[in-house]
Amino acid sequence: DVVLTQSPDSLAVSLGERATINCKSSQSVLNSLNKGNYLAWYQQKPGQPPKLLFYWGSSREFGVPDRFSGGGSETDFSLTISSLQAEDVAVYYCQQYSSTPYTFGQGTRLEIK
Amino acid sequence: QVPLQESGPGLLKPSETLSLTCTVSDGSITSHYWTWIRQPPGKGLEWIGHLHYGGNANYNPSLRSRVTISLDTAKNQVSLRLSSVTAADTAVYFCARLKTAGGMDRWGRGTLVTVSS
Repeated sequence: DVVLTQSPDSLAVSLGERATINCKSSQSVLNSLNKGNYLAWYQQKPGQPPKLLFYWGSSREFGVPDRFSGGGSETDFSLTISSLQAEDVAVYYCQQYSSTPYTFGQGTRLEIK
Repeated sequence: QVPLQESGPGLLKPSETLSLTCTVSDGSITSHYWTWIRQPPGKGLEWIGHLHYGGNANYNPSLRSRVTISLDTAKNQVSLRLSSVTAADTAVYFCARLKTAGGMDRWGRGTLVTVSS
């Protein structure tokens, strides 16, 4: 199985400041044929299902604010919030869909400092 | 109307079979992969498996011997069966749609299933 390791486990950032979450994969999730990174990011708020933020590592899902950005390739990825807003408090997960079983990172809890 | 809605018993006894249904109201289930994911209380997400109409199901090896995902096109429903449940199967169970480009873009609200004697 592909193991995804997120860092940090939790993060406290001041409003308006930058927040960055990392996701490291035990195997490359880059598809050699289409050059796509098979990695997604989700945001989950308490009592809600996860919400898709990015697919292909950096393709923003419709409706996701542009203060969110996704980057990286092969085994190292990041999710950045350029200016933290109160509504961004949540747990964030990365997920690979390169090979089954699809796996998730352990999650990163983002809070306001 | 909620696009995806899970339903099923919320309480099971050990050794019983978990049966959940996900009703899809915004499009046909004959397109896309349909996925089940679970989340134990206070913990992370675990992919259970997925199925595409006309294709074979893929299951998490950790559950493969106990799990079945199926589609009912007449009712536009996706079903999950998990046999011989134990307390370790206590979780919120979500159904979700896997978009063609990857990533799950539609999720049900989830349903809590508790296994307890």
